[in-house]
Amino acid sequence: ETGVTQTPRHLVMGMTNKKSLKCEQHLGHNAMYWYKQSAKKPLELMFVYNFKEQTENNSVPSRFSPECPNSSHLFLHLHTLQPEDSALYLCASSQDGGGGGVYEKLFFGSGTQLSVL
Amino acid sequence: DAKTTQPPSMDCAEGRAANLPCNHSTISGNEYVYWYRQIHSQGPQYIIHGLKNNETNEMASLIITEDRKSSTLILPHATLRDTAVYYCIETSGSRLTFGEGTQLTVNP
Repeated sequence: ETGVTQTPRHLVMGMTNKKSLKCEQHLGHNAMYWYKQSAKKPLELMFVYNFKEQTENNSVPSRFSPECPNSSHLFLHLHTLQPEDSALYLCASSQDGGGGGVYEKLFFGSGTQLSVL
Repeated sequence: DAKTTQPPSMDCAEGRAANLPCNHSTISGNEYVYWYRQIHSQGPQYIIHGLKNNETNEMASLIITEDRKSSTLILPHATLRDTAVYYCIETSGSRLTFGEGTQLTVNP
């Protein structure tokens, strides 16, 4: 148990569906992240939120829409996805995403395994 | 964040020490070395980090060379549950750039 909970654990959706992934952290952290891990590829950073504000969008297509209503919750809204978007989507949190000279360690959830048909 | 180099795979006997190397020859003065591991179908787990001194915690030890161009993660008594992909990352900020990592397989 890392203190970061992701739901659902598995999701199958068609290309015309709209779905949302949810992430909740119980660690009192101020920064939250979305990562994507495609099969046999390294993790890719998608979005970073720090104190509810988006501080990084790593050139992610607009069919992925993040939402961070507060420091404990993070959503990823999915719309008209493509089969190549099938992947493990990982949420993470850290005490402070402000960077600087000292990096704060990340706590990851178990991920949502997404299949787009 | 600059890239690190790790062997793609390693094997270790259960109960023996696992020594995982990492090259980071272009590391800059304010960059830390972080180690994470990812057990199959789970999210990555933080292990340890260091700047220039050797570090030890309840999970592992981190040995950083004096010139900081390489490091070794040591799991002193590997168990079957340590089978995972181990990532070595150099970073000076909040962005973690994961590479391919090393697949460590602990054999009975």
